[in-house]
This record gives sequence, C-alpha cells and structure tokens, in this order.
Amino acid sequence: NAGVTQTPKFRILKIGQSMTLQCAQDMNHNYMYWYRQDPGMGLKLIYYSVGAGITDKGEVPNGYNVSRSTTEDFPLRLELAAPSQTSVYFCATQNAGGGNQPQHFGDGTRLSIL
Amino acid sequence: AQSVTQLGSHVSVSEGALVLLRCNYSSSVPPYLFWYVQYPNQGLQLLLKYTSAATLVKGINGFEAEFKKSETSFHLTKPSAHMSDAAEYFCAVTSYSGGGADGLTFGKGTHLIIQP
Repeated sequence: NAGVTQTPKFRILKIGQSMTLQCAQDMNHNYMYWYRQDPGMGLKLIYYSVGAGITDKGEVPNGYNVSRSTTEDFPLRLELAAPSQTSVYFCATQNAGGGNQPQHFGDGTRLSIL
Repeated sequence: AQSVTQLGSHVSVSEGALVLLRCNYSSSVPPYLFWYVQYPNQGLQLLLKYTSAATLVKGINGFEAEFKKSETSFHLTKPSAHMSDAAEYFCAVTSYSGGGADGLTFGKGTHLIIQP
C-alpha cells in the first residue's frame, strides 16, 4: 500500500546547486502532477503529465524541468537552485477517468535553499 | 480560467461546536469541486468531492459540503468539532474540459483551530 512515494523528505541546498526530487507511484495512474506549497498560498501546479513521454507546464514552471519515461516515475529537476524555490513540493497522481477523479498525494519534500 | 477563494485563513471553534469553512469558486464551465485536509507534515487527503450527482455531499470524518450554483459556493461543515479536526483545509476546483487532466486549482487554505 505504498501509493505515492516522494524522496527525499527533507533537503537543504545551496544557491546554484541542482537536485532531483523523486516521485514514484504504484497505483497505475496515468496522470501525475507536481505542486509547490508556500505558506498561506495554497498549492500551485508546476508540471503535469498524462502519460509516459508526455509532459506539460502548469502555472509556475520556471526553474524546473520534468520527464516521464515510465508510468510509475515522475521526477522533478531543479537545475540552478534559487532561494525563491524554498518550498514544500508535493507529487500527486490521478486516475484517467476524468476530472471527477480525486488526486492522491505523497507526503511531500521539504526543500530549503540557502 | 478558474479560481477558488477561501474566506478566512484561520477559523477557531470550540470543541463540540459547528464547523463552517467557506469556499467560493469561479469557473467558466461546470466544475468539479473537492475538499482536502492536510495534517502537519503530511500530504493532502480527500475529504469529499462534488461531481454533479448530488448537491449535498457527505465525506469522511463527519464532514459534508453543499454545492450552491447560484452562490458559486461549496462550503464545508461539520455539526460538532473534535480536537482531531485541527488541520489545514483546502478547497479545489477542476473542470472536465481537457479530460480533467490539467490539474487542480487550490484555494489558499483555512487553518482550523479547535479550542478545548
């Protein structure tokens, strides 16, 4: 019953460093999403994917990249970390049955950039 | 374009009192609406969803919400608050345009405080 697994749970980066946030799911959902959560701002969509090999930008994609080579994995890449990217990042999945399908969230990655 | 407004970033109620968390949405097409709850250091869990089948929706943990098209609202209620209800609550909207794949639009969240 793993569901959506995000690694690492916590990370501190220095400005200009790069890293990849991992997201893996075992629910066989086609749709996957990356959100960032900032205090008092709700969640904002960074990127999403409707299947392997297909990705699209969300509301706040600048400074991030994604890839989707398998149904299970949807990593998020930060190339040049900036203080503005300090946030909590959530990965979510959704069944492809339509907009009435709920999203399932991982426990998040808490990222600080100093 | 769609948006969600949650009135009140913090709501405080006494244990056993009525809980009312407000959510208003804006959508150019008929919406799907969701309430999620987030406990500290955890991800979001689905409380309930509106998908046009019924305007009064019952969810987990005794919560329910009523969809009112004329008021573009989807307020969350619970008759009697419990200490374990203390958490962050998010209202979210999506639409069935694009097959429902293009993600959720979230409100800014309401922090529910339960006083003993």
